[in-house]
Amino acid sequence: EVQLVESGGGLVQPGGSLRLSCAASGFNFSNYWMHWVRQAPGKGLVWVSRINNDGISISYADSVKGRFTISRDSAKNTLYLQMNSLRAEDTAVYYCARYNTAYHAVDYWGQGTLVTVSS
Amino acid sequence: DIVMTQSPDSLAVSLGERATINCKSSQNILYSSNNKYYLAWYQQKAGQPPKLLIYWASTRESGVPDRFSGSGSGTDFTLTISGLQAEDVAVYYCQQYYTTPLTFGGGTKVEIK
Repeated sequence: EVQLVESGGGLVQPGGSLRLSCAASGFNFSNYWMHWVRQAPGKGLVWVSRINNDGISISYADSVKGRFTISRDSAKNTLYLQMNSLRAEDTAVYYCARYNTAYHAVDYWGQGTLVTVSS
Repeated sequence: DIVMTQSPDSLAVSLGERATINCKSSQNILYSSNNKYYLAWYQQKAGQPPKLLIYWASTRESGVPDRFSGSGSGTDFTLTISGLQAEDVAVYYCQQYYTTPLTFGGGTKVEIK
């Protein structure tokens, strides 16, 4: 069974940092591209970042470029999102998600971890 | 960026009736090498992550009931729920994965009338 379990969320002050983790199991993690998608309270889904299977190709939303860093450790089957210079507008549930390159869609999502940026 | 525009924002449908959700992309999302539209539909129930329903605009994900169907061409796409069930109450999103940034529609909330 495919499982994605996020952790690392919490309350942080504006300007602070957090590192989110996403532990993957039930599939060959090193074969899949992975994404982070966020959802502000009561709002819609917004794509944040993606990384290809070998970690070489990376892309970010303009709103987080230069502040967030996506990475992966295939030995640990874990996806990361390092978030620096956090702003109130970064407050959201952050989901990690698996991208199925066979049919080019995000097919599995984690349960999400809540990040709250507030003083 | 490709803008995805969904309509309506919400709709209320009687049990057993049809629900139709529309999604329009601001640019072409047809990948010419395989002639596939890079469009997906997701269902998100309250307090849960999204669930993939449809990919390539019209292919149902494994395990998804056949009352859910996707259609469309060009820049206009539709998700149809034929015979709404109580468990279908949710917010539905379209998404293009033709190019980054991946972009989502604003969501359509489906309720029971």
